[in-house]
Amino acid sequence: EADIYQTPRYLVIGTGKKITLECSQTMGHDKMYWYQQDPGMELHLIHYSYGVNSTEKGDLSSESTVSRIRTEHFPLTLESARPSHTSQYLCASRSGTGELFFGEGSRLTVL
Amino acid sequence: DAKTTQPPSMDCAEGRAANLPCNHSTISGNEYVYWYRQIHSQGPQYIIHGLKNNETNEMASLIITEDRKSSTLILPHATLRDTAVYYCIVRSPQGGSEKLVFGKGTKLTVNP
Repeated sequence: EADIYQTPRYLVIGTGKKITLECSQTMGHDKMYWYQQDPGMELHLIHYSYGVNSTEKGDLSSESTVSRIRTEHFPLTLESARPSHTSQYLCASRSGTGELFFGEGSRLTVL
Repeated sequence: DAKTTQPPSMDCAEGRAANLPCNHSTISGNEYVYWYRQIHSQGPQYIIHGLKNNETNEMASLIITEDRKSSTLILPHATLRDTAVYYCIVRSPQGGSEKLVFGKGTKLTVNP
């Protein structure tokens, strides 16, 4: 089993709130990713990181931001949540042989 | 990373083998074929990967054609729990773009 964890699993908040989705992995992987996925739709890469102090934007424009202060931790923050941010957010890390390991996801609902 | 093409959906009877095809005609010499699956709304799960030889693990077998332009993921005895979306991805294990595209995959439905 992959050792990558996301919290919270489910979050319902009001518009304008600041939220942080946590992602941690204990595998020592340098590369980490955040994907966004709406129900029944494709995964879209929104952020990735090559390692500590590295963050890059993905293909899908996102109003979220990320940080990578420690190898094992890659949190995603929304400064002011809106209903359009309602989605599932999936965190992943990549092994040296190229496999991606995903967390169970954080399902965000903004009212 | 090379582009892949998969059928949008497939059905399989429980207990039978499920054979999921993937075309990757522009694959380059150092690119591997990776398979993942996503059950309902869970995070995708790694299944198997290979370069040119056939591979087998406890979950599935991967058959790659000699010219490497296509591959088939085989679930030897499909169960209802194998109902999921299956993604075929081609990339270099060390390099390649980090902007990894999963595409729409194949929705496999295993019927009782």
